[in-house]
Amino acid sequence: GESVGLHLPTLSVQEGDNSIINCAYSNSASDYFIWYKQESGKGPQFIIDIRSNMDKRQGQRVTVLLNKTVKHLSLQIAATQPGDSAVYFCAENKEGGKLIFGQGTELSVKP
Amino acid sequence: DSGVTQTPKHLITATGQRVTLRCSPRSGDLSVYWYQQSLDQGLQFLIQYYNGEERAKGNILERFSAQQFPDLHSELNLSSLELGDSALYFCASSVRVDTGELFFGEGSRLTVL
Repeated sequence: GESVGLHLPTLSVQEGDNSIINCAYSNSASDYFIWYKQESGKGPQFIIDIRSNMDKRQGQRVTVLLNKTVKHLSLQIAATQPGDSAVYFCAENKEGGKLIFGQGTELSVKP
Repeated sequence: DSGVTQTPKHLITATGQRVTLRCSPRSGDLSVYWYQQSLDQGLQFLIQYYNGEERAKGNILERFSAQQFPDLHSELNLSSLELGDSALYFCASSVRVDTGELFFGEGSRLTVL
């Protein structure tokens, strides 16, 4: 069936370093992906999205890369800060808002 | 603050009971979504409404129902509650139906004892 999955449940980085969070998907027809951030006690927060007609998209300190050949996407966070500590989810958008979420990667930023 | 308001924030009830969770979407958003987050299942899509009409359904149990009212607020009704229904229930809203950019509320934590 359809699924998106993250490679690592946890990731620990030093403040100021770059973080890379990976995600794989199974359906080669999937064409729209989104990254969300969830801080403790809060709801998921949209970070960035990418459609399959793009390989890369940049936001403020974040970059999403999409490799359709190997069905893989990644979220890169530049100069990671303590405020970036959260659980990060990749999601596939199925039918306009029906998001299929991966399990999440917990990012910890060490000062 | 996402602009999406959910009440109550916490709810403790017993098995077999019925509860109603309420959601007010962001001003101007016509689409409302309900998601369930639990440790074993993760974040799961339940149901979507657009301007009062049901638009998409996910893994929502028959014991659960939802509706969106003319003022666009939405309610999720959970009945015959079981221990396994204990979870965080999130409401989200969006302006368009074809977007993955949803604005989530802070959730309602349901504990069934």
